[in-house]
Amino acid sequence: GQQVMQIPQYQHVQEGEDFTTYCNSSTTLSNIQWYKQRPGGHPVFLIQLVKSGEVKKQKRLTFQFGEAKKNSSLHITATQTTDVGTYFCAVMDSSYKLIFGSGTRLLVRP
Amino acid sequence: DAGVIQSPRHEVTEMGQEVTLRCKPISGHDYLFWYRQTMMRGLELLIYFNNNVPIDDSGMPEDRFSAKMPNASFSTLKIQPSEPRDSAVYFCASTLGLVVGELFFGEGSRLTVL
Repeated sequence: GQQVMQIPQYQHVQEGEDFTTYCNSSTTLSNIQWYKQRPGGHPVFLIQLVKSGEVKKQKRLTFQFGEAKKNSSLHITATQTTDVGTYFCAVMDSSYKLIFGSGTRLLVRP
Repeated sequence: DAGVIQSPRHEVTEMGQEVTLRCKPISGHDYLFWYRQTMMRGLELLIYFNNNVPIDDSGMPEDRFSAKMPNASFSTLKIQPSEPRDSAVYFCASTLGLVVGELFFGEGSRLTVL
């Protein structure tokens, strides 16, 4: 079945530093979604990328979809304590099931 | 809109007991998903429904687990008998058509089986 590898597993940064998480697939993806889950909370949709090479921005967050549509990244510029949480990528397999990556847990030191 | 509503938020039970988790999807959404989240296995898709019909239950761990969706506004996930390894947070999510894609998650039901 469809699998997606997400790295790193954890990242601990000083407030103001940048953060990046990556998702990689061995197969070409139709699209990729990103979610954020705050500690004790539920996953919340951030964005969906569909086009090869697509780049989307949401304030300090930049999302990229690789040219080959096999990888994606989420970059946060100048992290804040409010960015704390786990970031997941999610991809749809051939059976229309949304499969989540293992997530990257972001910790921010104030 | 109230969002996806799940109950109970927390459940503590003893091994062997029956557990029923409930979900009310967002009105008008035609897809409903049940996920389980643990530290070891992350977010796992258990089953999903389209227009109240189960489409894929390949993620259901074993026969102890069953899910139903008797109508468009209600779904249940039942575990009978429960075991300690079933302890997890169970999320229900809904969406309007897979082309739209965005899943709206409920706040989850945290299950502890002693």
